[in-house]
Amino acid sequence: AQSVSQHNHHVILSEAASLELGCNYSYGGTVNLFWYVQYPGQHLQLLLKYFSGDPLVKGIKGFEAEFIKSKFSFNLRKPSVQWSDTAEYFCAVIPSNDYKLSFGAGTTVTVRA
Amino acid sequence: NAGVTQTPKFRVLKTGQSMTLLCAQDMNHEYMYWYRQDPGMGLRLIHYSVGEGTTAKGEVPDGYNVSRLKKQNFLLGLESAAPSQTSVYFCASSSLAGLYNEQFFGPGTRLTVL
Repeated sequence: AQSVSQHNHHVILSEAASLELGCNYSYGGTVNLFWYVQYPGQHLQLLLKYFSGDPLVKGIKGFEAEFIKSKFSFNLRKPSVQWSDTAEYFCAVIPSNDYKLSFGAGTTVTVRA
Repeated sequence: NAGVTQTPKFRVLKTGQSMTLLCAQDMNHEYMYWYRQDPGMGLRLIHYSVGEGTTAKGEVPDGYNVSRLKKQNFLLGLESAAPSQTSVYFCASSSLAGLYNEQFFGPGTRLTVL
């Protein structure tokens, strides 16, 4: 079965620090990749997605992610975080011939002012 | 467009009670999904549907039933609620499966079973 691993359970940062969240998946074929964000008390929102093409994907709110196929990774980055980036972040993967989105366990990011 | 909506937003049940969660989407999507979210476990797929009148089991289907009588609605039922079903339930929909599949999520239903 496909699995998605997020390396950090909880990350605590100060404002203006850089953020990188790791995500690895186990499926060997063609995949689509997503990062979702869940702000406190809200539902999941799509941050960015990778389907094909340029492996460096830019999303909303200054986030970007890099797909490294050889490492089965899709790490999320932001150069300078803000207090409003405090949220839970989920990596998700779906094989191109499947319906089912597999989620990582999530990483809680706390940004201190 | 309202996107994906869920009712109710909150519910408290006693063990053994039943209830139905309603998901509705106005994007004419073929595919709909029910997930549960538990701390430290991400989202896990309960059931999904690939079109009106169809349903299929996901990763954690036990204790739940679903129905998709209309394309825009996907119902999740708990026949006899258990404390282990305390969770936040999310519905999602998508227009495609596989390539270019992007799922849109509802606001969630927080269910507590006492």
